[in-house]
Amino acid sequence: ELKVEQNPLFLSMQEGKNYTIYCNYSTTSDRLYWYRQDPGKSLESLFVLLSNGAVKQEGRLMASLDTKARLSTLHITAAVHDLSATYFCAGNAGGTSYGKLTFGQGTILTVHP
Amino acid sequence: GAVVSQHPSWVICKSGTSVKIECRSLDFQATTMFWYRQFPKQSLMLMATSNEGSKATYEQGVEKDKFLINHASLTLSTLTVTSAHPEDSSFYICSARVAGKTYEQYFGPGTRLTVT
Repeated sequence: ELKVEQNPLFLSMQEGKNYTIYCNYSTTSDRLYWYRQDPGKSLESLFVLLSNGAVKQEGRLMASLDTKARLSTLHITAAVHDLSATYFCAGNAGGTSYGKLTFGQGTILTVHP
Repeated sequence: GAVVSQHPSWVICKSGTSVKIECRSLDFQATTMFWYRQFPKQSLMLMATSNEGSKATYEQGVEKDKFLINHASLTLSTLTVTSAHPEDSSFYICSARVAGKTYEQYFGPGTRLTVT
């Protein structure tokens, strides 16, 4: 059974600083997803990482995947207040669980001026 | 891009009544849709997988007689919460997988259910 763990669960950052959110998963995952959720809203897709060594960047966010270490990271560069949200990673075990996503606990990010 | 809608966006119902939530893929066909539940300040938990034209597959611990899922067409899945109780109050989110595309999955805006 795929398990996904994120850390930290809470992250308070100052604007302009850099930080990384870590996502560990327990068994093979076909792919790794990162989502953003604002309060009271649904999920916004950020990245889909499909293979070992994959790196994707969008604005101040960069995600990477190391399938050998079963680790994905979401790096935040020069944080701004607009990035405040909850960030989830999710994996997919594949096989008979194809398409089913297992989510991490979420990381609540707060960016302070 | 692919758009998934849900209706209603929020609903309040009395304990013991049933509530139906619709999930529609607006501009693509979805052979598979997924239903998730999210309690306040918690993560998303998969409830069931809905396949067009066949019975839904429920995750362990999810009562299939309580959460009825119907996927009648390639663009519509419905979740009916039967005999709702206050503990069923939650944020229900559906997602739809694009037919023929192996990894693309799009989430609906969610439905907030409050049972009084």
